[in-house]
Amino acid sequence: LAKTTQPISMDSYEGQEVNITCSHNNIATNDYITWYQQFPSQGPRFIIQGYKTKVTNEVASLFIPADRKSSTLSLPRVSLSDTAVYYCLVGPRILEYGNKLVFGAGTILRVKS
Amino acid sequence: NAGVTQTPKFRVLKTGQSMTLLCAQDMNHEYMYWYRQDPGMGLRLIHYSVGEGTTAKGEVPDGYNVSRLKKQNFLLGLESAAPSQTSVYFCASSSGRDHSYEQYFGPGTRLTVT
Repeated sequence: LAKTTQPISMDSYEGQEVNITCSHNNIATNDYITWYQQFPSQGPRFIIQGYKTKVTNEVASLFIPADRKSSTLSLPRVSLSDTAVYYCLVGPRILEYGNKLVFGAGTILRVKS
Repeated sequence: NAGVTQTPKFRVLKTGQSMTLLCAQDMNHEYMYWYRQDPGMGLRLIHYSVGEGTTAKGEVPDGYNVSRLKKQNFLLGLESAAPSQTSVYFCASSSGRDHSYEQYFGPGTRLTVT
């Protein structure tokens, strides 16, 4: 199971673009990359998922280079409400018996005014 | 549509006591999961279920048991609580095999074992 490494924390200002990188050197061929957001005292919320190249939705973009050993979550024009912990999760898209889903320690993003 | 709900929200147990945490989802999801989250750490998977009547061990299953008798419910049991099980417990569900990573989480249960 691929282990992920993320920065412990990041600071940004309102209106800036924020890029959070996750390292996953041992990613397997059938592994996907998923990002979650968690606010204090709440359960995590799915943000985006991808396999390669670039994925974009209404809230974020996910960039995955050709070797797939890292990925970058990009949040455009952050606001104070984006202050949260962001988790990178790597694993097979189809969960079978014996699979283990392992969340990393996450990145604390603090957005300042 | 309530999504994923968890009962209770808070609980304090004495060492050796038992309890059951209830998770319910109204989205007709096939997959359900139980995680624990300790301060400053990510989530760790305890057990999961890929359908009614099935359960499987996750990363940290020791000291816990689960049951999925109905598709909409996933129960997490602690037979003999220990202080090391003090944590916040999250339940989650996902729609099926191809969406196992798009999980919907409940609000959590904060458990303290003294």
